Amino acid sequence: NAGVTQTPKFQVLKTGQSMTLQCAQDMNHEYMSWYRQDPGMGLRLIHYSVGAGITDQGEVPNGYNVSRSTTEDFPLRLLSAAPSQTSVYFCASRGAGVQETQYFGPGTRLLVL
Amino acid sequence: AQSVTQLGSHVSVSEGALVLLRCNYSSSVPPYLFWYVQYPNQGLQLLLKYTSAATLVKGINGFEAEFKKSETSFHLTKPSAHMRDAAEYFCAVSEQQGYSTLTFGKGTMLLVSP
Repeated sequence: NAGVTQTPKFQVLKTGQSMTLQCAQDMNHEYMSWYRQDPGMGLRLIHYSVGAGITDQGEVPNGYNVSRSTTEDFPLRLLSAAPSQTSVYFCASRGAGVQETQYFGPGTRLLVL
Repeated sequence: AQSVTQLGSHVSVSEGALVLLRCNYSSSVPPYLFWYVQYPNQGLQLLLKYTSAATLVKGINGFEAEFKKSETSFHLTKPSAHMRDAAEYFCAVSEQQGYSTLTFGKGTMLLVSP
């Protein structure tokens, strides 16, 4: 199993540009989520999904959009990038129960100029 | 609402010394608690978790943590630090419901000196 994969690993954007961060998992997990990590802030939840076709907002959803058309994929879209979205983004997945281990991808470093 | 407080953004120890990383939680319902480790330029990896079974939980790499309800704490310990333990450690809390989300603390960077 590849686990949780993310692409790209690093991206530079200009303010106002849009892009999609890709996330895929091959563990047949129902639950997937996106976090951003900023220095001194820990990980903050952006959006999450409990299954195909079902998504919900986390703590910091503004400026981001998600969809879940398949169990495997959970892309994160930046609609109009802003410098405040410069961060490291992590995708994670786990089984249905909250006690299940959450597996993280390697992250995408995003720089918005 | 749930929250996690990690005391100390940086903790420095000498190789061979005891490691103690502090985590206090706030939750209105019985929680599940987790410790994750992040090595440089990598994603997070689960160290251990408390899911209402034994209050003393053993994890990977010699780490363990004890759930103390009266103190609302879940501190992480290791008897003897190794250089390879240098990393950032995150405590996280969730409610005991199927699709509850994880709330992370701000992290503690563990520095290990020879």
